[in-house]
Order: sequence, then C-alpha cells, then structure tokens
Amino acid sequence: AQSVTQPDIHITVSEGASLELRCNYSYGATPYLFWYVQSPGQGLQLLLKYFSGDTLVQGIKGFEAEFKRSQSSFNLRKPSVHWSDAAEYFCAVGAATGNQFYFGTGTSLTVIP
Amino acid sequence: DTEVTQTPKHLVMGMTNKKSLKCEQHMGHRAMYWYKQKAKKPPELMFVYSYEKLSINESVPSRFSPECPNSSLLNLHLHALQPEDSALYLCASSRGQGYTDTQYFGPGTRLTVL
Repeated sequence: AQSVTQPDIHITVSEGASLELRCNYSYGATPYLFWYVQSPGQGLQLLLKYFSGDTLVQGIKGFEAEFKRSQSSFNLRKPSVHWSDAAEYFCAVGAATGNQFYFGTGTSLTVIP
Repeated sequence: DTEVTQTPKHLVMGMTNKKSLKCEQHMGHRAMYWYKQKAKKPPELMFVYSYEKLSINESVPSRFSPECPNSSLLNLHLHALQPEDSALYLCASSRGQGYTDTQYFGPGTRLTVL
C-alpha cells in the first residue's frame, strides 16, 4: 500500500533563511509526486510535481524539490523564505494504477521576522 | 482560466436542514472531486466524478449526496448532517481521472453544523 510521511508537523524559520520540508513515500513503482501549499482557510495550490525525467523539479514561488529514489524522498526546498510563505504544506503521491492518491499529514510553516 | 469556484464560502446549518454546495470549473476538465478537510488535517477524498459519472465513493455516509449535472458543475447535497461534519469542503478538478493529473482546488466552503 502507498503511504506518504511528512515527519515534521511544524517548522519555524526566520525570514531570509533557507527551508527544507521533508517528504517520504512508500510505493512499489515510480510514483507521481506533488507538493501543495494551503494558506489559512484557503484551497490548495500546486507548487510543483514530479512524474519522470530530471529529478530536480522547479516550481512556483521559488520552490524546488528533488526526487531521490534511493531514499524514497521528495523534499521541498527554498533558498530564502519570505513571510508570505507561512502556510501548510502537503506532499502527495498518486499512482497510475489503482487510482490511488494520498496526501501526507502536512507541515505547518511559521516564518518569523 | 485555471480557477475552480465554490459557493457559498461559508454555510451554517442545523441538523435538520437541507443545503447544497456548488462547484464550477471551465477548464474543460473531465474529473471532479469532493474532499473534506478538518482543521490541521490533510484533505480526505469523498467522491470522484469522471466524465460526469460517479467513479469513486469513499464510503461516505448517505447524508452526503453528490451530483454532477454537467462536465463543468459539481454539487454536494447535504441532509441531516451531524456536528462532526463541520469542516472545510474542497472541490477539485483535473484533466483526467487517475491521480497522475494535477488537481486544481477551489477555495472551499466552510461548513458549520449546529
């Protein structure tokens, strides 16, 4: 069975500092991986996705993520965090077969001045 | 246009009321989804419509009744809800079904059941 783990429930970073949010997945074949961001009381917005090809994926708002098959990870990074990045971040995995889709439990990001 | 719209934004209802949530997209997407999200939790899939036919029902209680009148519209009819049904209800759409396509989410309807 597929699963998605986001080990960090909550992260606090200073504005301007770098950020890395962790995501680990469990899936037998190559997964389809997504990072979504949700601002308070809002819907989810796609930051980036990985299906195949280059394992370093660039997304919107200066985010990037790297797919590492050997570590079953898809960590999200940003070199310099802005106060507006404070939000809930969800990693998700989809399967081409079986029509399965799972969100991770989310990581809440706080940005301090 | 990559927008999914949902109405109303907020809804308060009693346990004996009947109400409906509406979702609309004009991206030509053929799959539409309803999710339920409790505070500080990830969205939980409720229903999936593919080409206007219900393809997935994640064992949702019958007090929630989805409807897809056409490829652009998705409704969620609510009847005899319980206070624990209070949540943010999110609609999403994607080009095709099969969770390899990007899902585009609406802003949600905040439902409170008294």
